[in-house]
Amino acid sequence: EIVLTQSPGTLSLSPGERATLSCRASQSVSSNYLAWYQQKPGQAPRLLIFGASSRATGIPDRFSGSGSGTDFTLTISRLDPEDFAVYYCQHYASSPYNFGQGTKLEI
Amino acid sequence: EVQLVESGGGLVKPGGSLRLSCAASGFTFSSYSMHWVRQAPGKGLEWVSSICRDSANIYYADSLKGRFTTSRDNDRKLLYLQVNSLRGEDTAVYFCARGLSPVGGTREAFHIWGQGTMVTVSS
Repeated sequence: EIVLTQSPGTLSLSPGERATLSCRASQSVSSNYLAWYQQKPGQAPRLLIFGASSRATGIPDRFSGSGSGTDFTLTISRLDPEDFAVYYCQHYASSPYNFGQGTKLEI
Repeated sequence: EVQLVESGGGLVKPGGSLRLSCAASGFTFSSYSMHWVRQAPGKGLEWVSSICRDSANIYYADSLKGRFTTSRDNDRKLLYLQVNSLRGEDTAVYFCARGLSPVGGTREAFHIWGQGTMVTVSS
């Protein structure tokens, strides 16, 4: 079973700043089957990144994903006020398709 | 419009059962893997189960095996989650989600999500 650990737990930044979120896997994630989701209060999650670095349809290019193996990063180049939310990574390489515990991005 | 709508949640006593449904529209349901994810109040996302497009492969979180059963009806465009022997820790919003690409397996990011249905287990 692949366990994902996200850091930091909470990230406090201001609009316009750059955000860097980390996701570390307990073992290598094959074929970079790693996704990132954004969730706002009372809403369903939204897929941002799949395959570690590919943006989903309609996702602004200020969101980018990188990494391979066991270390992955979600970068938001310039924070917009609507970006303050909770972010989750998830692997889908093999069952169980675990999520990380989340990073809360706050102002 | 591509859409998923969950139903079937509610208040149930410990030990009880529910069948959750997820109605799909706006896409070829039979071509995509489908998934269940839950979220306890104030907590993170927890993967529950995944089913491939023809139901040949179904996976469950280890902690839920034996109590939860996932199935689908491709003709009716419905996904189901039968939940039995419910416990307080099963209290959560249950989301269904669709896989990203119509390639058959369950190794897909979760692209389209429903708004969820709340299950509350309490006496």
